[in-house]
Formats: sequence, structure tokens, C-alpha cells
Amino acid sequence: SAVISQKPSRDICQRGTSLTIQCQVDSQVTMMFWYRQQPGQSLTLIATANQGSEATYESGFVIDKFPISRPNLTFSTLTVSNMSPEDSSIYLCSVRLTDTQYFGPGTRLTVL
Amino acid sequence: AQTVTQSQPEMSVQEAETVTLSCTYDTSENNYYLFWYKQPPSRQMILVIRQEAYKQQNATENRFSVNFQKAAKSFSLKISDSQLGDTAMYFCAFMKQGTYGGSQGNLIFGKGTKLSVKP
Repeated sequence: SAVISQKPSRDICQRGTSLTIQCQVDSQVTMMFWYRQQPGQSLTLIATANQGSEATYESGFVIDKFPISRPNLTFSTLTVSNMSPEDSSIYLCSVRLTDTQYFGPGTRLTVL
Repeated sequence: AQTVTQSQPEMSVQEAETVTLSCTYDTSENNYYLFWYKQPPSRQMILVIRQEAYKQQNATENRFSVNFQKAAKSFSLKISDSQLGDTAMYFCAFMKQGTYGGSQGNLIFGKGTKLSVKP
């Protein structure tokens, strides 16, 4: 398994600002993922972030809004840019080890 | 495309009793993995149990077991001796197996079942 930490665990932000969420894994992993979970909903994949390549975004998500960095095999960041209240969600980092995915504790974002 | 359906938005069970959560999926793949994840109010997604499609034997993890019916494309989760700490959202998920093993593609989630364990 993998131990994943995220920072911050929660934040309250003003509209129009940006927030960067950090994800740290206790082992080297190739495949990392960022998900959004709106209140009461299931998880929606934002993008796949593999080290050494550009992030791959899912339909409805764009790099200008959600830029991702993946500088090494244990770390990634997701930035939520120019935030609006619709961006209020839980953001989860996830890693895949062979054939199983593990999740971080999530970042609860509230945009006022 | 694969889909995962959880037909029970909410369920409740008395402490110490047994409850079964339903999950069906649609795929044309023969080799894949199925998962149940638990998300308590703390919001941490926790892997509960995992099943490889090529294995006929149902997976078990302590009080958690599955009933995997490949032909029916059904993957239900049984929780025995329910505890208050089992109160959570439960998500069923599907992932394709790669050609040479491992995994391929995205993890596909159902909409979840909210389970409440009552004292």
C-alpha cells in the first residue's frame, strides 16, 4: 500500500484567488491522479499526472484552470486557479500501485 | 465504456447485524479488477476489499466479504457484525486489467451508498 499526505487539509479562499494543493507519497510511484468530489457526489477524475510527461486532463478540465506539477516520483501539486464558489469541493490525490489505487486524505476547499 | 451502478443511495443497519450493499457493472472486458472503498465523514477514501475477475473465489477481509457473480456482472459487499465505525459512504469501483497484467485505464466509480449503522 501507500501512505499519502495532502496539504492543506482544508482552506477557505476568496473568489478570484488561487490555491495550490500538495500531495506527498511515501514511495516512488509512476501514476498519480487528481480527483474532485463535490458535496454528496462520487469522485470525478481531473487529470492523470505521470512523472516525466505532461498531465492528461479529462473532458471538462483544462490546464489553465487546474495546472499540475509532477517534479518527481513522490510529489505532485494541483493548483485551482481563479477560483469561484463552484470550485468548492474536496480535492483528492491518488496513486496507483500495479493494480490498486490509494487515496490521500483530501483537501476541503470552500470558495466565498 | 464501462459503467458502475449502485442502486441503493442510502441504507441503514442495526449495530451487530449484517448488511449487503449492491453493485452492478457493465463491461465487455474479460479481465478486470473490482473494488469497494469506504469514505467515512473524515473523507479519507479507504480500500475495503479487492477482487480480481479471474478468481472465482470471493474475496474476504475480516468482517467484509463480497459476492462476485461474473456472469451477472454483480459485485455486492456484505458487512457482518456491523459496527458504528462502519458508518460511511461506500463506493464500488472497476478497473481494466492490462494486457500483460497490472492495470489499464481509469478507475470507474459508482455513485455510492451511504450506510448508517444505528446503535
